[in-house]
Amino acid sequence: QQQVKQSPQSLIVQKGGISIINCAYENTAFDYFPWYQQFPGKGPALLIAIRPDVSEKKEGRFTISFNKSAKQFSLHIMDSQPGDSATYFCAASGGRGSTLGRLYFGRGTQLTVWP
Amino acid sequence: DTAVSQTPKYLVTQMGNDKSIKCEQNLGHDTMYWYKQDSKKFLKIMFSYNNKELIINETVPNRFSPKSPDKAHLNLHINSLELGDSAVYFCASSQDWGRFGYEQYFGPGTRLTVT
Repeated sequence: QQQVKQSPQSLIVQKGGISIINCAYENTAFDYFPWYQQFPGKGPALLIAIRPDVSEKKEGRFTISFNKSAKQFSLHIMDSQPGDSATYFCAASGGRGSTLGRLYFGRGTQLTVWP
Repeated sequence: DTAVSQTPKYLVTQMGNDKSIKCEQNLGHDTMYWYKQDSKKFLKIMFSYNNKELIINETVPNRFSPKSPDKAHLNLHINSLELGDSAVYFCASSQDWGRFGYEQYFGPGTRLTVT
């Protein structure tokens, strides 16, 4: 059972455009939602993370929007650049039960930014 | 300075063999993890150790055996390798484990190919 559902599977955006990746979850025990970026041949690296007490978090060109009632969160990349081309993973973790200490990953989105 | 390192980077072996992957972190973290990334890039946790104690053991065949000789090292031994074990294995570490959703730092991965 996929705990975190991510879409789209792949995304092609023109340089300067906005990239949007969406994730959804069901388990209300989740309370930490990070996004990871992975370049080919490298390990995933934390990009930005949010907790459900805020609806939005921004770091530079990267913004997480969080909708607690809908159990959805999304990553927005403004002014997308060719260097942003990578695989992006949303994830979720929680503070109790089977969510404690575990990161559940979405299936990833392959982002390609054309120059 | 490499924060989380793994050896080897590539491992090609035949079915039925036994192999080990080593991981070391120099971040002073208390918690270490093993993840498996399949051919479709899906990341799934396998094991986690906190202060050398096994705290997460997902549904993994018992041919896989992790060992943590100290907080900075976590090794993965795989017996009787099967074709389906072919994947990229990532080691990760975090400051601590549990409630607070600590950032996980990933190693560069070990690509295991079983022929």
